Amino acid sequence: QQQVKQSPQSLIVQKGGIPIINCAYENTAFDYFPWYQQFPGKGPALLIAIRPDVSEKKEGRFTISFNKSAKQFSLHIMDSQPGDSATYFCAAALIMNRDDKIIFGKGTRLHILP
Amino acid sequence: DVKVTQSSRYLVKRTGEKVFLECVQDMDHENMFWYRQDPGLGLRLIYFSYDVKMKEKGDIPEGYSVSREKKERFSLILESASTNQTSMYLCASTDRTYEQYFGPGTRLTVT
Repeated sequence: QQQVKQSPQSLIVQKGGIPIINCAYENTAFDYFPWYQQFPGKGPALLIAIRPDVSEKKEGRFTISFNKSAKQFSLHIMDSQPGDSATYFCAAALIMNRDDKIIFGKGTRLHILP
Repeated sequence: DVKVTQSSRYLVKRTGEKVFLECVQDMDHENMFWYRQDPGLGLRLIYFSYDVKMKEKGDIPEGYSVSREKKERFSLILESASTNQTSMYLCASTDRTYEQYFGPGTRLTVT
């Protein structure tokens, strides 16, 4: 199975709250899990990524939690700010030299209330 | 910084017109991609290219073609635009598929 299921489709959180976006995959061959952030009027940009040999990765206020046995991973945003309002895409990738593959989730529209 | 530019931010075309969307990257990346983005459907891969003059179909190639005559340039062609091709089109480039650099997008409206 090549799907990556992302939820929720949209999310509204008060400033300072911790929005959580969840993703699930089925193909255990995936070996790289990036998150992309897209602001209105812009293309997506790589935000943070994790490999399956670690359970957590933090970069600033953004944290990826990874559960290999459950085939799930999630993005947490600590102390969320209105400037974090964007669409977030999770993805799962296979790294195979010239045959790399990447599958994107359908995206989550996040709105942080001031 | 990697820069991916797309020829137009907004485009309005009539049904049946031939439409060209151009994408240029300045980082000498081998791989380039075209996606369309629709609400609730996420990013769907139309075509990609691993080398000059090389192209591969993605998940939704019907109604589209591509051209890659130079390494830095990847064009998406709608041979005969239809209203169901109204969408946001995103180009991306990369050396490795899993870390893609996207352009700002072209919002195409077909009337």
